[in-house]
Amino acid sequence: AQSVTQLDSQVPVFEEAPVELRCNYSSSVSVYLFWYVQYPNQGLQLLLKYLSGSTLVKGINGFEAEFNKSQTSFHLRKPSVHISDTAEYFCAVTEQGAQKLVFGQGTRLTINP
Amino acid sequence: ETGVTQSPTHLIKTRGQQVTLRCSSQSGHNTVSWYQQALGQGPQFIFQYYREEENGRGNFPPRFSGLQFPNYSSELNVNALELDDSALYLCASSSGTGVIYEQYFGPGTRLTVT
Repeated sequence: AQSVTQLDSQVPVFEEAPVELRCNYSSSVSVYLFWYVQYPNQGLQLLLKYLSGSTLVKGINGFEAEFNKSQTSFHLRKPSVHISDTAEYFCAVTEQGAQKLVFGQGTRLTINP
Repeated sequence: ETGVTQSPTHLIKTRGQQVTLRCSSQSGHNTVSWYQQALGQGPQFIFQYYREEENGRGNFPPRFSGLQFPNYSSELNVNALELDDSALYLCASSSGTGVIYEQYFGPGTRLTVT
């Protein structure tokens, strides 16, 4: 069965500092990986996804993530954060042919001025 | 292009009651998935509908049921509500069932069971 572990429940950083949100997954087959962002009182918005090809994936709002198969990780990074990046971030995994996304518990990113 | 909409925004029900939540999919989308997001948790897959048929179900009891209509809008019905059903219910629509089809999420319905 697939599972996702987001290693940090909360990450506080200062504005313009770099940030990394960590995600590890477990699966017995090839996986597809996603990062979603959820702003307060809103639904989820896709930041980026890895389906195949280059292991470095670039997404919206300056975010990127690297798929590491040997370490079963898909960490999200941004070189310089803004106040507007304050939100909950979810890592998710699915498998070929599966209908569902399996989400991690989320990481709350707080940006301090 | 209209995005995914859900109604109502908030709902308060009593234990044992029944509830119906509604979702209008994005134009051109034929697939709707429902997720339950308990407070402080990630969303959990309930089920998916594709062209009016259930196309996969998560680990939820039969008192969670759904429908999809010819215009691809969808309903989630929950019978015999329990306190643990209190959560944000999200629906997501896509233009197909495969992983290559991005799921677009609505803002959710927050259900409180007392």
